[in-house]
Amino acid sequence: AQTVTQSQPEMSVQEAETVTLSCTYDTSESDYYLFWYKQPPSRQMILVIRQEAYKQQNATENRFSVNFQKAAKSFSLKISDSQLGDAAMYFCACNSQGGSEKLVFGKGTKLTVNP
Amino acid sequence: KAGVTQTPRYLIKTRGQQVTLSCSPISGHRSVSWYQQTPGQGLQFLFEYFSETQRNKGNFPGRFSGRQFSNSRSEMNVSTLELGDSALYLCASSSPDELAGGDTQYFGPGTRLTVL
Repeated sequence: AQTVTQSQPEMSVQEAETVTLSCTYDTSESDYYLFWYKQPPSRQMILVIRQEAYKQQNATENRFSVNFQKAAKSFSLKISDSQLGDAAMYFCACNSQGGSEKLVFGKGTKLTVNP
Repeated sequence: KAGVTQTPRYLIKTRGQQVTLSCSPISGHRSVSWYQQTPGQGLQFLFEYFSETQRNKGNFPGRFSGRQFSNSRSEMNVSTLELGDSALYLCASSSPDELAGGDTQYFGPGTRLTVL
């Protein structure tokens, strides 16, 4: 069974600073996908970044990047130049079931951005 | 393209009743997944439908059921509601290859169900 663990229930960062959110996962599959989703107070879940496990290069999307350590089963999210609009719950998720889109989510990290 | 839509957005029911939630995926998406989000259990997978067939099912009792129509719209039904069914129900759609997974899922705004 897949598991996803986010060990930081809450994090805070100053505006314009950098913050890293941690995520570890466990799966016996060799082919899988990892995601970070953001859920602001409006509750709409938004994709932040996606990583295919077979790709060694870390995914980046503007100010968001990941540090994917496959051997350690670690998938952390780095947010650079934090903005007030980055404040939200961040969920790490894994899909490792071929032929299914099922996502297993971590419990989430609540990010606060201080002005 | 229009995003994933869910109706209704808010619902209040009493114990023992049943409820039907609706989800319209992004145009062209054939996969629809449902998740339950609660403060205690977090986000839990309910089921996934692909081309009108249930492709995967989470660990929920048989009171939770769903279906998908030929236009990819999906409904989920919860019968004999319990207090613990109070949650945010999220629907997500994607456009995967039939035999693959891992496609990006796009979420709707959710339906907030309160059971009294």
